[in-house]
Amino acid sequence: GAGVSQSPRYKVAKRGQDVALRCDPISGHVSLFWYQQALGQGPEFLTYFQNEAQLDKSGLPSDRFFAERPEGSVSTLKIQRTQQEDSAVYLCASSSSGGNTGELFFGEGSRLTVL
Amino acid sequence: AQSVAQPEDQVNVAEGNPLTVKCTYSVSGNPYLFWYVQYPNRGLQFLLKYITGDNLVKGSYGFEAEFNKSQTSFHLKKPSALVSDSALYFCAVRDGSGNTGKLIFGQGTTLQVKP
Repeated sequence: GAGVSQSPRYKVAKRGQDVALRCDPISGHVSLFWYQQALGQGPEFLTYFQNEAQLDKSGLPSDRFFAERPEGSVSTLKIQRTQQEDSAVYLCASSSSGGNTGELFFGEGSRLTVL
Repeated sequence: AQSVAQPEDQVNVAEGNPLTVKCTYSVSGNPYLFWYVQYPNRGLQFLLKYITGDNLVKGSYGFEAEFNKSQTSFHLKKPSALVSDSALYFCAVRDGSGNTGKLIFGQGTTLQVKP
């Protein structure tokens, strides 16, 4: 596609439910990032993929968070047993290569509200 | 550890006047610095970056930024503000640890341009 696509754009979950957020990066982009943006805050890094390999997951806040990119293209961020503090916008970004000085291209985000 | 600080939560400027959005950074090694803009309910859009070379970097929509090594600053500027420039602006630095190319963002500055 022309840009990074994320779905759903909005998700409301009851506390304890599992959610899955999808990211479709720009075609051919090797690097894929997930960020979490709480209200009024800057994006916080969650995890990074280079192709299908998850090279950095240091930002995942707990073991309830899991991300995958099995074929090196589409990625899914899964949150198990959601808590109210998980409410945020989850941003996906892709880049043509990792470890370089190129800019990241962001999707519009998935806004998660946990009730 | 790399970090950026945006000391102003909000900047107000009249249309047609010059604007400055401040950013200071802390890095080990050479700084790779970025500015992104975020419009309501949209993802982040790349404006400009400094990697090396001229201290004055020109970017999208008439924005520019000045890299100042002695003051560890990377302020965003525009000679004549437009109402449509009103948005949330983020400064970011590339994390030099590892080789992922991930960005560390500031807290953001809301720019309000009034007619």
